[in-house]
Amino acid sequence: DTAVSQTPKYLVTQMGNDKSIKCEQNLGHDTMYWYKQDSKKFLKIMFSYNNKELIINETVPNRFSPKSPDKAHLNLHINSLELGDSAVYFCASSQGLAGGELFFGEGSRLTVL
Amino acid sequence: KQEVTQIPAALSVPEGENLVLNCSFTDSAIYNLQWFRQDPGKGLTSLLLIQSSQREQTSGRLNASLDKSSGRSTLYIAASQPGDSATYLCAARMDSNYQLIWGAGTKLIIKP
Repeated sequence: DTAVSQTPKYLVTQMGNDKSIKCEQNLGHDTMYWYKQDSKKFLKIMFSYNNKELIINETVPNRFSPKSPDKAHLNLHINSLELGDSAVYFCASSQGLAGGELFFGEGSRLTVL
Repeated sequence: KQEVTQIPAALSVPEGENLVLNCSFTDSAIYNLQWFRQDPGKGLTSLLLIQSSQREQTSGRLNASLDKSSGRSTLYIAASQPGDSATYLCAARMDSNYQLIWGAGTKLIIKP
């Protein structure tokens, strides 16, 4: 039973399109995150939500909009996709901001053509 | 500003050897430190979490240590196996704002 699941796993789309990535966790955690991993494999935090409230919003273009309908879900919507948005996006969760262990999804590889 | 460094960036050793991966951080005011592994095309898997009050944690063939005063954590892998080949990342969670600061990872290759 997957702890943190993301869909879709692969996404290929044209520049200018809008796309969404969904994330769900069944661990009962109250904190969820979105990370971006670029081609050099460097991991960068994008957003963090705690109990459905936005806690961290790094310098991410406002074309990226996270939405948390409940504690178990954190979706990422991206408007007007650009070539530079191509990356692997990871969802993660933990019990509290302070830190429990961080659990990651398998990643969603986005390719913008 | 906290910086987390992992050296070397890549390491290749024969199967069966014991090895140590290094993680250093510049600000000792950390809440905890976590080690992960990432297999190609996969997500990150948590290996060990060490709280700031702890000196080490063990899981199977893995042992992670933490020395806050020297700004260093090590991940010791005993009797390495080809299945241990992966990229290993460490991440330090700050005391002040609980933000997680990541190292760039060490790519480990275990040769059969």
